[in-house]
Amino acid sequence: DAGVTQSPTHLIKTRGQQVTLRCSPKSGHDTVSWYQQALGQGPQFIFQYYEEEERQRGNFPDRFSGHQFPNYSSELNVNALLLGDSALYLCASSFVVSMNTEAFFGQGTRLTVV
Amino acid sequence: QKEVEQNSGPLSVPEGAIASLNCTYSDRGSQSFFWYRQYSGKSPELIMSIYSNGDKEDGRFTAQLNKASQYVSLLIRDSQPSDSATYLCAVNNGSSNTGKLIFGQGTTLQVKP
Repeated sequence: DAGVTQSPTHLIKTRGQQVTLRCSPKSGHDTVSWYQQALGQGPQFIFQYYEEEERQRGNFPDRFSGHQFPNYSSELNVNALLLGDSALYLCASSFVVSMNTEAFFGQGTRLTVV
Repeated sequence: QKEVEQNSGPLSVPEGAIASLNCTYSDRGSQSFFWYRQYSGKSPELIMSIYSNGDKEDGRFTAQLNKASQYVSLLIRDSQPSDSATYLCAVNNGSSNTGKLIFGQGTTLQVKP
């Protein structure tokens, strides 16, 4: 049973560029959430997708956008990259949107903006 | 006041001892609570979930929840060097029903042989 998979694992981009990160949820899961984790901090919620729609959004600018496909996989897009966008980007999948749902993380994508 | 607070540590314990990790949260409406373990350079791994007041045990791990005090803790018995990691407390956003998690900054645990 494949867990949550993310690609790529590492990425280096230049300021002002755009980046797309990808996530395939755990088998049987239908909800994907994206988090940003800066060094030494806990993950910060970016947004969540369920039934191909953005259900909830954290305190991130519109430069951060996403998409969920019919097979439940998801993409995170970041436009006009800033140095401060350098972080570990985590995808978490879960089954059915509820408060008691356990979320499982992929291995993350380490984004470096230079 | 942060929504979820943890002492960043490091918390250092000798091998075989009990490690006690603590977390407080501000939203009284929060309903579900999770502990994740994160090794350096890796992603968080779910180790415990707890939804009701009291204790929940799983192997060497015990999660404790006190909603009246807005307090969650994780006890690790017979600590091993392999337990050395950052432990993240996560709380479901009680004001919504979407599964959004709010994390503390994590507590670094060092288990010394």
